[in-house]
Amino acid sequence: DIQMTQSPSSLSASVGDRVTITCRASQTLTKYLFWYQQKPGKAPRLLICNASTLESGVPSRFSGSGFGTDFTLTISSLQPEDFGTYYCQQSHSSPYIFGQGTKLEIK
Amino acid sequence: QVQLVQSGAEVKRPGASVRVSCKTSGYTFTDYYLHWFRQAPGQGLQCMGWMNPGIADTNYAQKFQGRITMTWDTSISTAYMELTRLRSDDTAMYYCARDRVLTGHPEFDYWGQGTLVTVSS
Repeated sequence: DIQMTQSPSSLSASVGDRVTITCRASQTLTKYLFWYQQKPGKAPRLLICNASTLESGVPSRFSGSGFGTDFTLTISSLQPEDFGTYYCQQSHSSPYIFGQGTKLEIK
Repeated sequence: QVQLVQSGAEVKRPGASVRVSCKTSGYTFTDYYLHWFRQAPGQGLQCMGWMNPGIADTNYAQKFQGRITMTWDTSISTAYMELTRLRSDDTAMYYCARDRVLTGHPEFDYWGQGTLVTVSS
């Protein structure tokens, strides 16, 4: 199975900050890396498809980059509603493993 | 609009079975894969497997093989996930999610609201 490692596991940032979350795969995913946001008590929400394609309705302050084994999710200017846990997920091959998550808190 | 509505919370004894339903609407049920995930309290998301009602195919994660069965009823566009021989570490929120592509590289665009299964003696 492909292993996914996210970092950091948690972070606290202020409104307006630029935030970066990284995800590393144990083998190449080519472009098949997805990012989700999950708020407490809610299902995950798809943010970024295929490493860098913004899902419809997702604010443009979110962006994704990377290819192969190393990927990044960036929030350019953090907003209060961006709190939650962010997960990367690989869709290269089954089982479609998720990273362990990054819990983002607003200072 | 696409909706996935799951059945309500369950409390089960160790050794029992649970069946969670996922009623879909707003799209053609047989045209898409449906995946099941679970999330233990405070933990990340774990893949349980997938089903394709259009071609009558299922695939279960190795961890659950022998204990999990995914079925469906196309007449009511509803999917079911049954997990048997429950243990306390099966306590989790269980989710269904639609894969919107048929490329073999799934994209989970719509999710059920989750079903909390608690296993306790």
